[in-house]
Amino acid sequence: AQSVTQLGSHVSVSEGALVLLRCNYSSSVPPYLFWYVQYPNQGLQLLLKYTSAATLVKGINGFEAEFKKSETSFHLTKPSAHMSDAAEYFCAVSVQKLVFGQGTRLTINP
Amino acid sequence: KAGVTQTPRYLIKTRGQQVTLSCSPISGHRSVSWYQQTPGQGLQFLFEYFSETQRNKGNFPGRFSGRQFSNSRSEMNVSTLELGDSALYLCASRPGTGGVWDTEAFFGQGTRLTVV
Repeated sequence: AQSVTQLGSHVSVSEGALVLLRCNYSSSVPPYLFWYVQYPNQGLQLLLKYTSAATLVKGINGFEAEFKKSETSFHLTKPSAHMSDAAEYFCAVSVQKLVFGQGTRLTINP
Repeated sequence: KAGVTQTPRYLIKTRGQQVTLSCSPISGHRSVSWYQQTPGQGLQFLFEYFSETQRNKGNFPGRFSGRQFSNSRSEMNVSTLELGDSALYLCASRPGTGGVWDTEAFFGQGTRLTVV
């Protein structure tokens, strides 16, 4: 069975600082991995996806994630946080359905 | 290209009633899935439909059901509503025809159901 663990339900960074959101997955087969973002009262929007083409994946809004098989991790990073990045972020693994982590709420301090 | 459309956006129902939620996928997408989002349980998979057939089902009671029409539009129904059914219900469509989720799922804005 596939599962996802997101470390830290709430992360707070200063504007301009590095954003690091952690995600570890469990999968018995090579996984497909996704990061989604959710703004208040909205649905989910895809930030990026890993489907085995490259271990470093670049997404929208300056985000990127690195797939590390040895660590079963797929952490999301952004070099410089912007106020508009404040939202909830979900890591997900898929085989025959999307299995989501519990989410990390990102707060940006001015 | 229009995105995934869910109607209505907000619903208030009384315990014991039933409710039907609607989802129109992106044109050309044949797979529609439903998710329940609550603060306590997070995002949980309800079911997936493809070409009018339920292809996968999550761990929810039989009060939760769905269907898909020939134009790929989907509805989900919850009967005998309970307070715990209060949640944001999200619909997602994707173009992939295979059962493996290797393609992006596009989500609607959701229907916020409140059971009182």
